[in-house]
Amino acid sequence: ETGVTQSPTHLIKTRGQQVTLRCSSQSGHNTVSWYQQALGQGPQFIFQYYREEENGRGNFPPRFSGLQFPNYSSELNVNALELDDSALYLCASSWGGGAETQYFGPGTRLLVL
Amino acid sequence: GEDVEQSLFLSVREGDSSVINCTYTDSSSTYLYWYKQEPGAGLQLLTYIFSNMDMKQDQRLTVLLNKKDKHLSLRIADTQTGDSAIYFCAESPLDGSGNTGKLIFGQGTTLQVKP
Repeated sequence: ETGVTQSPTHLIKTRGQQVTLRCSSQSGHNTVSWYQQALGQGPQFIFQYYREEENGRGNFPPRFSGLQFPNYSSELNVNALELDDSALYLCASSWGGGAETQYFGPGTRLLVL
Repeated sequence: GEDVEQSLFLSVREGDSSVINCTYTDSSSTYLYWYKQEPGAGLQLLTYIFSNMDMKQDQRLTVLLNKKDKHLSLRIADTQTGDSAIYFCAESPLDGSGNTGKLIFGQGTTLQVKP
């Protein structure tokens, strides 16, 4: 069974740029959730994708957007990067939408200069 | 509102028991979770408890749930140096149409295990 994978592991961008982060869900899972974890904080829910549709969104501005593909992998896109976007971005996969048990990937650490 | 509170730091000696506490606010949460995060890594699911249970035991881990007080605890028996990490409590609140799919996390408790 393949676990959740994310790419890239680390990324450095400058303010105003755009970034795309990728996530492959665990084998057999059809739901992907994205979280932002600032240094020293707990993860904050960004949004969830279930069967290629957005299935819930947290308090993040529209410049945070996502996609889910037919193979259930997912992308998180962030436009017009701000310094406060520097964080660890975590992807979690699960089965069936909702809050079924979520399994996390290793994360992508984004630094915005 | 949705809020999860945890104490920030706990230090124990190797071989002792550790108890990490958490309070949550949303009584609609069907599941409550404990995750472990080691430095520079993602979150590892440790255990979870369904909201109609009082206790769940899984090897060295015991979860206690007091739904009336909205209090959750994680006990680690015979704590080892490899247990040193940050532990997060999380709830899964419902919205008006069923599960939202989001987890609400506490700020994490850093567990330090001294040899």
